[in-house]
Amino acid sequence: DAKTTQPNSMESNEEEPVHLPCNHSTISGTDYIHWYRQLPSQGPEYVIHGLTSNVNNRMASLAIAEDRKSSTLILHRATLRDAAVYYCILRDGSNFGNEKLTFGTGTRLTIIP
Amino acid sequence: NAGVMQNPRHLVRRRGQEARLRCSPMKGHSHVYWYRQLPEEGLKFMVYLQKENIIDESGMPKERFSAEFPKEGPSILRIQQVVRGDSAAYFCASSPTQGLWAFFGQGTRLTVV
Repeated sequence: DAKTTQPNSMESNEEEPVHLPCNHSTISGTDYIHWYRQLPSQGPEYVIHGLTSNVNNRMASLAIAEDRKSSTLILHRATLRDAAVYYCILRDGSNFGNEKLTFGTGTRLTIIP
Repeated sequence: NAGVMQNPRHLVRRRGQEARLRCSPMKGHSHVYWYRQLPEEGLKFMVYLQKENIIDESGMPKERFSAEFPKEGPSILRIQQVVRGDSAAYFCASSPTQGLWAFFGQGTRLTVV
């Protein structure tokens, strides 16, 4: 599986935007970029995914570099409830229907009140 | 529409006993995945099942662990003769056949004493 690299931890002030980076220099043409997050003592939760174009949903935005070797998850206005471990994962799009995920160590996001 | 349901949420077993973890996928989902999260570590894929079939068990320990997803009823992850090293959080996820992402349960926290 293609590997992703994320900072171990980040801090952000409440109600400010947060940019969580992810490097995936060995991404293949069929790999989708997925982001999940895991709140304390809970199961992972899907956040957003994309292939080539930037994506927006009610939770976040995903900015994908033109060469697809990196991406950034953007939380527009962080709240205390956004404190979690954020995982950037590459999912092979050629294996449609198989949602097997390879989790790395993720970025632990701390929100400062 | 209920989410992925796992039970029990907490399970305590003595060394040598059997542990049975249950997972009911979301309605309409035919794919089930099991992951294990050791303390202070990331999630590791264990097994991917469809109804009555094991599709990928590349992450399952070779001994003592087994999984099934019968035609009727929940998926079961069975751990025989548990040891202290099996203490972890076990998460189940499900996805539909044409799905694009997975939905996770709240997990079962197994403690072996």
